Amino acid sequence: EVHLVESGGGLVQPGGSLTLSCAASGFTFASHWMSWVRQFPGKGLEWVANIKEDGSEKYYVGSVKGRFTTSRDNAKNSLYLHMDSLRVEDTAVYYCARGLPGPFDNWGQGTLVTISS
Amino acid sequence: DIQMTQSPSTLSASIGDRVTITCRASQSISSWLAWYQQKPGKAPKLLIYKASSLENGVPSRFSGSGSGTEFTLTISSLQPDDSATYYCQQHSSFSTFGQGTKLQI
Repeated sequence: EVHLVESGGGLVQPGGSLTLSCAASGFTFASHWMSWVRQFPGKGLEWVANIKEDGSEKYYVGSVKGRFTTSRDNAKNSLYLHMDSLRVEDTAVYYCARGLPGPFDNWGQGTLVTISS
Repeated sequence: DIQMTQSPSTLSASIGDRVTITCRASQSISSWLAWYQQKPGKAPKLLIYKASSLENGVPSRFSGSGSGTEFTLTISSLQPDDSATYYCQQHSSFSTFGQGTKLQI
C-alpha cells in the first residue's frame, strides 16, 4: 500500500524559512514523479512544484518560483520542499502527492504551515 | 495558465438522487482531467482520471465524461458517504484545480 507522510510544518514569521519532508513507502519511489500541492485555509487547492524521478527536472507554480525548492533523495525514499522568504499567503496545508505528469493518485495526510508574526 | 471553473459551488441533494457537477477549462485540455473527493480533515482522493476512467476501488456510481473544455462528474445514486467536496483538476499544462463543489446530503 502506498504511504506518504509529511512532516516539518509549523508556525514561522514572515520572511522566514522552513523545510518540509515527505517519507514514501509501499511503492518504487525512484520510478515516480512527485509533487507538492497546498490547500489554503479557504479550501482552494494549488499545485506547488513537481520533480522528475531522478531529480533532473523541477517545475514550480509562478507564485513560489525563486522562493521554494523541491528535492528528493531516492536512497531514503524522501521528498523535500525548502521554502524561503515565506509570506502570509503561503499559509496552507502542504501535501506531497504522487503524480504530475498524470493525476495525483496518492496523497499524504498533509502538514500545516502557518506564516504569521 | 489554464483556469478551471466548477459549478455549482454548493449542491444539496437526497439519497438516491442523480447528481451532476460541471467543470469548464479556459482552453482545451483534451481528456487530461481528474476528479477528486475530499472529506473534512482528509486529503483529496482520486476518483476519475483521463476524464472518464474510474480509479481502482471507486464505486461504479461515480462516472466522468467530457473532453476539450467541458467535463462532468456524475453520481448515479447518491449515498450518505458521498457527502464531501469535489474538485476537478487539469493536468494538460502543469496543474490547476477547480474551486470545488460542496455536496450536502
